[in-house]
Amino acid sequence: RKEVEQDPGPFNVPEGATVAFNCTYSNSASQSFFWYRQDCRKEPKLLMSVYSSGNEDGRFTAQLNRASQYISLLIRDSKLSDSATYLCAVNRNNQFYFGTGTSLTVIP
Amino acid sequence: EAQVTQNPRYLITVTGKKLTVTCSQNMNHEYMSWYRQDPGLGLRQIYYSMNVEVTDKGDVPEGYKVSRKEKRNFPLILESPSPNQTSLYFCASVSPGQGGTEAFFGQGTRLTVV
Repeated sequence: RKEVEQDPGPFNVPEGATVAFNCTYSNSASQSFFWYRQDCRKEPKLLMSVYSSGNEDGRFTAQLNRASQYISLLIRDSKLSDSATYLCAVNRNNQFYFGTGTSLTVIP
Repeated sequence: EAQVTQNPRYLITVTGKKLTVTCSQNMNHEYMSWYRQDPGLGLRQIYYSMNVEVTDKGDVPEGYKVSRKEKRNFPLILESPSPNQTSLYFCASVSPGQGGTEAFFGQGTRLTVV
C-alpha cells in the first residue's frame, strides 16, 4: 500500500471557484503533514504545513484528520496563477513521503 | 539565501557512461535525500542521508550510489546509466525539528539516457 495517496485529477475549474483536494496516508505514526505546490518542470515548494487544528493562509485552508488519516486542502476564489500540481506530503522521522500530486488548471 | 543547488540542470548521456549529479545546500542541514519523479509515479526516494558518512537506501536505490563526505554535499552517482533511469531528479535538504520540518528542493536535473 502506498504511504500517501491522492486523486491525480485533473481538476479544471473556472476562476473564482472553490476547489478541494484530499489525500490519505497509511502510517498512523506519521508526524507532520504538508502541502507542496509544483509548477510544470520545476521543483516542489512548500505551500503550507497542516495542523490538527486546521490552518488558513489567505485563500488556502488545510485540515488534518488523524483519526481518518487524511489531509485536505481547500482553495477559495481560484486564480489563474493557482494552476499547478499540488503534492501532499507526510513526514516520519525526517523521512518525507509524497503523493503523486493532483493537477489543477484554473480556466479564465 | 537558503538554497539547494543541483548540477547539471539538463543532461543527455549514453547507456553505460558513468555520471554524477551534484547537490549542495547552504543551510547546514543534516538530512538530505534524492528523489526521482516520473509521470504517474510521483516522487520516489532513491537514497537519503541522516548525517555525514551516514547513507541509506530509499524506495528505488537500484542503479544508484551516493556519498556524504561533508554536510553540505550529497552527490548522486550513476555508475552505468540505463534508459530506465531517464527521469527528473530532485535533491532535497530537510530542516530539523518537530513542527519545523520542511523539505527544500533543488531545481531538478532532467536526465535522458539514450
